[in-house]
Amino acid sequence: GQNIDQPTEMTATEGAIVQINCTYQTSGFNGLFWYQQHAGEAPTFLSYNVLDGLEEKGRFSSFLSRSKGYSYLLLKELQMKDSASYLCAVKPGGGNKLTFGTGTQLKVEL
Amino acid sequence: KAGVTQTPRYLIKTRGQQVTLSCSPISGHRSVSWYQQTPGQGLQFLFEYFSETQRNKGNFPGRFSGRQFSNSRSEMNVSTLELGDSALYLCASSSQGGTGELFFGEGSRLTVL
Repeated sequence: GQNIDQPTEMTATEGAIVQINCTYQTSGFNGLFWYQQHAGEAPTFLSYNVLDGLEEKGRFSSFLSRSKGYSYLLLKELQMKDSASYLCAVKPGGGNKLTFGTGTQLKVEL
Repeated sequence: KAGVTQTPRYLIKTRGQQVTLSCSPISGHRSVSWYQQTPGQGLQFLFEYFSETQRNKGNFPGRFSGRQFSNSRSEMNVSTLELGDSALYLCASSSQGGTGELFFGEGSRLTVL
């Protein structure tokens, strides 16, 4: 089966750093994605990992450990506009089918 | 470059009716996927089409169907609507190669009464 776990909610302070964890158990693995979704809007792509290690893109970084079935998204220098749902998704096989976690609702406070 | 366009954006139906949702992908994208998003279940994969062929299918009943046209536009249909079908239906397109990231449309919000 497919199982992706991430915390339901997190709260952090503007200017701080927050790490959102994701663990997965899937029948196959062909990459892990992070998406951001603001309320009432479409999900937008943040990052992609297929090999172990850290991928950095501006204020956002994503880490993958395939042996542990684990990823995290690191957000630095938090801004109020970062308040959103963060979705972890695994591509278990060929094509573009993604299996999503239920999302982590991040609230950034002053 | 225009994004993924979904129509209609909002619709209300009653139980037992059917509905057709439309999706126009980003120009040049040949893969179109459909997802159902609900507060309790998150995003769940419905199906993916590539070059008019269904390439992947999720675990939804046969009431949910889709198709893709030669211009890559896609439609999904839900027949015999149930209250539990109320959800945001998201379409996403993707190009071949690269990371295969999905570009999502704004969605069609379906309410079944």
